[in-house]
Amino acid sequence: DAGVTQSPTHLIKTRGQHVTLRCSPISGHKSVSWYQQVLGQGPQFIFQYYEKEERGRGNFPDRFSARQFPNYSSELNVNALLLGDSALYLCASSHSGDSTDTQYFGPGTRLTVL
Amino acid sequence: DAKTTQPPSMDCAEGRAANLPCNHSTISGNEYVYWYRQIHSQGPQYIIHGLKNNETNEMASLIITEDRKSSTLILPHATLRDTAVYYCIVAFYKLSFGAGTTVTVRA
Repeated sequence: DAGVTQSPTHLIKTRGQHVTLRCSPISGHKSVSWYQQVLGQGPQFIFQYYEKEERGRGNFPDRFSARQFPNYSSELNVNALLLGDSALYLCASSHSGDSTDTQYFGPGTRLTVL
Repeated sequence: DAKTTQPPSMDCAEGRAANLPCNHSTISGNEYVYWYRQIHSQGPQYIIHGLKNNETNEMASLIITEDRKSSTLILPHATLRDTAVYYCIVAFYKLSFGAGTTVTVRA
């Protein structure tokens, strides 16, 4: 079975631009979570979606937004990019996002903001 | 979310068991203990999780103390491919990663 897939693999943007990152969950999984991992640190939780509804949000500014589609894929959008947004963006999927549900991560999208 | 404390690094000899400790003294009754690992710049890989009881799967064993304030991840026969950053996380639904333990397996 295919795992979590993310696109693109790498991306270079300049300050002030907007970026859209995409994630396809494991087949049968209905929940998607997004994480940001800055170099040298552990991943930080951004959003969780389940059945197209936002279930949780981390401590990130409103420049960060996301949505989930009827096929359970998801997009993460970041507006007005800052240099500090340079990071590995990880998507994780799970069946329902409940506490007993294991989250499986994709390979990530490496975003560089110049 | 409960915080975890892990040693920043540890070495292990290839073929030997690796025992990775984690302290989580403020864990709540409904929080699970999860272990993930991350090999350089890849997405984190799920290893194992548990609530109260000890757990074992094909990758590792998880030993949770009776008071649930600490746990140990055991890799029974470490290989060079087990070199990674290992994260101990206590979570209800969202995962809060700390700095983890950098494990280096040496030949």
